[in-house]
Amino acid sequence: GQSLEQPSEVTAVEGAIVQINCTYQTSGFYGLSWYQQHDGGAPTFLSYNALDGLEETGRFSSFLSRSDSYGYLLLQELQMKDSASYFCALPRGATNKLIFGTGTLLAVQP
Amino acid sequence: DAMVIQNPRYQVTQFGKPVTLSCSQTLNHNVMYWYQQKSSQAPKLLFHYYDKDFNNEADTPDNFQSRRPNTSFCFLDIRSPGLGDAAMYLCATSRGTTGKADTQYFGPGTRLTVL
Repeated sequence: GQSLEQPSEVTAVEGAIVQINCTYQTSGFYGLSWYQQHDGGAPTFLSYNALDGLEETGRFSSFLSRSDSYGYLLLQELQMKDSASYFCALPRGATNKLIFGTGTLLAVQP
Repeated sequence: DAMVIQNPRYQVTQFGKPVTLSCSQTLNHNVMYWYQQKSSQAPKLLFHYYDKDFNNEADTPDNFQSRRPNTSFCFLDIRSPGLGDAAMYLCATSRGTTGKADTQYFGPGTRLTVL
């Protein structure tokens, strides 16, 4: 089967940098995705890594190491609006259905 | 403009009374997914359609059924809701590109309360 583990909570201050880790187990690998979900809202896509290394999208970057079955999401210049849950996810199968990680609740403090 | 629409946003039903949640999309995507998300948990995939092909997850209870009458619409039927079925139900769509990054677009969800 597949499983993904994340820290349950992370707290950081405005303007800081925070890293959210994700370790996974899977029998076949197609990539690692990251989604953001504000309280009461829908998940929205942030980033995707198919190959090792860093993908940068504005203030957000995502890193993947396939040999370590590990990835992380890096958020820079934190803003209050970044307070949300962050999920890593494995696309699976021909239709890329998502298996979500346990989720990390990020609290950004003033 | 809304791309994935779910109705209603809030649904209250009684224990054992059938309920139907609806989802529509304007993206013309091949795949439509239904997820269940309970408080402080990750979304859990219930089933999905690739076009008309239905794919059920092994651990989805028989109490949950789905219909996709056309590309744009998909329904989630809960035949006899129990208290444990109270949750947010999320609909999502994607192109269904094999083996590549395939962003899923989520609707705002329907919050189901079972009394």
